[in-house]
Amino acid sequence: QVQLVQSGAEVKKPGASVKVSCKASGYTFTGYYIHWVRQAPGQGLEWMGRINPNSGGTNYAQKFQGRVTMTRDASISTAYMDVSSLISGDTAVYYCARDRSGSYSFDSWGQGTLVTVSS
Amino acid sequence: SSELTQGPTVSVALGQTVRITCQGDSLRTYYASWYQQKPGQAPVLVIYGQNNRPSGIPDRFSGSSSGNTASLTITGAQAEDEADYYCNSRDNRGNGVFGGGTKVTVL
Repeated sequence: QVQLVQSGAEVKKPGASVKVSCKASGYTFTGYYIHWVRQAPGQGLEWMGRINPNSGGTNYAQKFQGRVTMTRDASISTAYMDVSSLISGDTAVYYCARDRSGSYSFDSWGQGTLVTVSS
Repeated sequence: SSELTQGPTVSVALGQTVRITCQGDSLRTYYASWYQQKPGQAPVLVIYGQNNRPSGIPDRFSGSSSGNTASLTITGAQAEDEADYYCNSRDNRGNGVFGGGTKVTVL
């Protein structure tokens, strides 16, 4: 079965960076875009960007341009998202999600990674 | 504009029908998808495309679209349908966008 397993919770200080991983299994990793979505406490879902696991090509939401980097290692079916210059407002649960057909319909989600930014 | 607008809350009596709407210019071009999210859990896709349900999603969930508005209907709401529901789509530049979410309460 399709499964996305993310790395564990992180606590970071303001100004630091965090790298979250998302390991895929149960399907051909290079065949489906991976998107990253975050959810601040008590808030809604926010789209951050996507990566093509085959080519490595990325699209980022304008809000995160220059501060977010999405990469992948196809040899181990894993996508990564790096967020730099963290502020308290980046405290959120970060999800990776598989795009079922390039149509921005996300049919499988990781369990989420809580990133807490606190001094 | 790439924003999607949802009403914040809606309530429905057990066994009755509820419709949740999502409005945005991008919906004139692209289909919306719908997700159910329960507290402490990741979202789950319930409707995608014109009106498609992933495997395992009950047929009481259905979707429709007209102009700039997409709708999710729950026909015969059950207690387990109480959750937050989000729509999402994309814009012409390849950016994704989510609605603000609708909290559904089953009375």
